[in-house]
Amino acid sequence: AQSVAQPEDQVNVAEGNPLTVKCTYSVSGNPYLFWYVQYPNRGLQFLLKYITGDNLVKGSYGFEAEFNKSQTSFHLKKPSALVSDSALYFCAVRARNSGGYQKVTFGTGTKLQVIP
Amino acid sequence: GAVVSQHPSWVICKSGTSVKIECRSLDFQATTMFWYRQFPKQSLMLMATSNEGSKATYEQGVEKDKFLINHASLTLSTLTVTSAHPEDSSFYICSARDPSGRVVEETQYFGPGTRLLVL
Repeated sequence: AQSVAQPEDQVNVAEGNPLTVKCTYSVSGNPYLFWYVQYPNRGLQFLLKYITGDNLVKGSYGFEAEFNKSQTSFHLKKPSALVSDSALYFCAVRARNSGGYQKVTFGTGTKLQVIP
Repeated sequence: GAVVSQHPSWVICKSGTSVKIECRSLDFQATTMFWYRQFPKQSLMLMATSNEGSKATYEQGVEKDKFLINHASLTLSTLTVTSAHPEDSSFYICSARDPSGRVVEETQYFGPGTRLLVL
């Protein structure tokens, strides 16, 4: 079974400071990893994904994530936080399940609060 | 990028009635769409996978007779909550696969969600 853990329910960071939102995963075989952001009462917006290749993945809005196979982690990072980055962030992993469908498993989400 | 819409964005209904939620891929064809349910301050729970022209695949514990899914075209999937009850109140989100041509690199794109309140 595949799973995703986001150990922090909430992360607070001052505007202009670097931010990190943590994610670890468990999956059989090679992981396909994703980060999504959700604003209040809205669906999820795709930020970035790791499929293969460089461990450092760059995505939308200045976000990036680093795939670490040995630590089974895929932490989301941004060098300088903006107040507008305040939202709920979901990490997700995908692997082919027994039925052949590309089922995605989401973490429980981390609320990012950027303080002006 | 790929755009997915949902209609309605919110709905209030009486207990016992049925509610239909539409999910459309606006600028691409989606052979597969997914329906999720999200409770407050919780993650997304996959309810079912909707395949164009065939029956949906439901996750364990999801009542297929209560949550009817129809994927009649490559751009439209519908979720009907039949005989809705207050416990069905939730935020329902659909997603569709980005048809990038390579299955391994597919990304799911999400609709804005539909908030259902059953009184």
